[in-house]
Amino acid sequence: DAKTTQPTSMDCAEGRAANLPCNHSTISGNEYVYWYRQIHSQGPQYIIHGLKNNETNEMASLIITEDRKSSTLILPHATLRDTAVYYCIVRDSGGGADGLTFGKGTHLIIQP
Amino acid sequence: SAVISQKPSRDICQRGTSLTIQCQVDSQVTMMFWYRQQPGQSLTLIATANQGSEATYESGFVIDKFPISRPNLTFSTLTVSNMSPEDSSIYLCSVASGSNEQFFGPGTRLTVL
Repeated sequence: DAKTTQPTSMDCAEGRAANLPCNHSTISGNEYVYWYRQIHSQGPQYIIHGLKNNETNEMASLIITEDRKSSTLILPHATLRDTAVYYCIVRDSGGGADGLTFGKGTHLIIQP
Repeated sequence: SAVISQKPSRDICQRGTSLTIQCQVDSQVTMMFWYRQQPGQSLTLIATANQGSEATYESGFVIDKFPISRPNLTFSTLTVSNMSPEDSSIYLCSVASGSNEQFFGPGTRLTVL
């Protein structure tokens, strides 16, 4: 799996959009971008994934650049419960057949 | 989504002993995985639990230290053997089946004295 680079930590005001960047400059053509988050003392939670098109679900939006070398996870209206460590993971299109390789992630702190 | 439970949720153990952690899923799943999260660190994949055959271990993890069973498609166990304080971690199981998502259990917090 390709390596990802994320900022160590970010702050965001409650009610504002939280934009979490991820660099994955060595991503290959069949690799997807996945986002998970881990709220304190819980197991990681799947958020969203995409290949090259932008994706949106009830939790977040994923914007992938045209060259696919970076992406941004957007939480449109952040709440205090969104405080968590967010992991950007690049993995092969094999989907659930392989375990995940977690980097250090971004610790997002939502400020009241 | 799958609902995953782990037992025990936490334990404090003496060095040299072993602990078996159970992972139960509410539906049949194709893949089950075990991860370790050391204090202040990210998750590290230990192994893939294969139904009816030996687990597939990642580099740095061996069967003698972390024996794994998976007798059916809804259950798996991870044993942490001959424990030392360095084994103090959160151990998590995850499952996947067909979709691209992995679902994680709540974790087992292990402290070794």
